[in-house]
Amino acid sequence: DAGITQSPRHKVTETGTPVTLRCHQTENHRYMYWYRQDPGHGLRLIHYSYGVKDTDKGEVSDGYSVSRSKTEDFLLTLESATSSQTSVYFCAISDRTGGANTEAFFGQGTRLTVV
Amino acid sequence: AQSVTQLGSHVSVSEGALVLLRCNYSSSVPPYLFWYVQYPNQGLQLLLKYTSAATLVKGINGFEAEFKKSETSFHLTKPSAHMSDAAEYFCAVSQQGYSTLTFGKGTMLLVSP
Repeated sequence: DAGITQSPRHKVTETGTPVTLRCHQTENHRYMYWYRQDPGHGLRLIHYSYGVKDTDKGEVSDGYSVSRSKTEDFLLTLESATSSQTSVYFCAISDRTGGANTEAFFGQGTRLTVV
Repeated sequence: AQSVTQLGSHVSVSEGALVLLRCNYSSSVPPYLFWYVQYPNQGLQLLLKYTSAATLVKGINGFEAEFKKSETSFHLTKPSAHMSDAAEYFCAVSQQGYSTLTFGKGTMLLVSP
C-alpha cells in the first residue's frame, strides 16, 4: 500500500469554525490531490498540488484553501465550515512519471461532519 | 475537456452471474482510463487501467475491461460474481495536458446469494 496518512480520520465541527485536514505521504510523489466524495456525485476534485508551494484549483474549490510547504504534506483548510462541506475527504498522490497514464493512490479518507 | 459517465448508480447481480459495469468517456485527445474499487469505509484501490498498449485490459480479482474507441466506452466485466465483489466502482479518465483524474459518479455493485 502507498504510504498515505490522513488525519484526523473523523471530525465533528461546528458551523463557522476553521478546520484543517492533513495528508502525509512517504512516497516522495510530486502530485497530491484533495477530493471530496458525496452520494450521487462521486469524487470531485477540490485542489491539487504539482510541487512544493505549487497548487491549483479543482472543480469544487470555493470555501477551501490548501498549502504545501513540504513535499510530504498537503493541508486542506476550510476557513469557515458550513454544513454543505459535510463530506468524506480523500487525499491522493501520484508521481505521474508515466504522464497521464499514471494512476493515483488514495488515502483512507477523513469523514467530516459540520453541525 | 475530459469526463466520464457511468450508467446505473446501482447494479444488482446474483452470485455466479456476469458482472457488467458501464463507462463512457468524453475526451478531446486519446484518453487514459482507469477503474477503481472502493470497499465500505475504505479508500479507492486501482482495479485496472488502459494505456493504449492493448484494448483488452486485465485487472485484479478477475476483472477486465475493453476499450472501444468507436463507442467511446470502457466497460468493466467479470464472468462470475462473488459476494466479495460487492463494492462501489468508479471509472476515471486522464489525458495529456491534464494533471488530474476526473471520476464518474460511481456504480454500487450488489451481489446476492
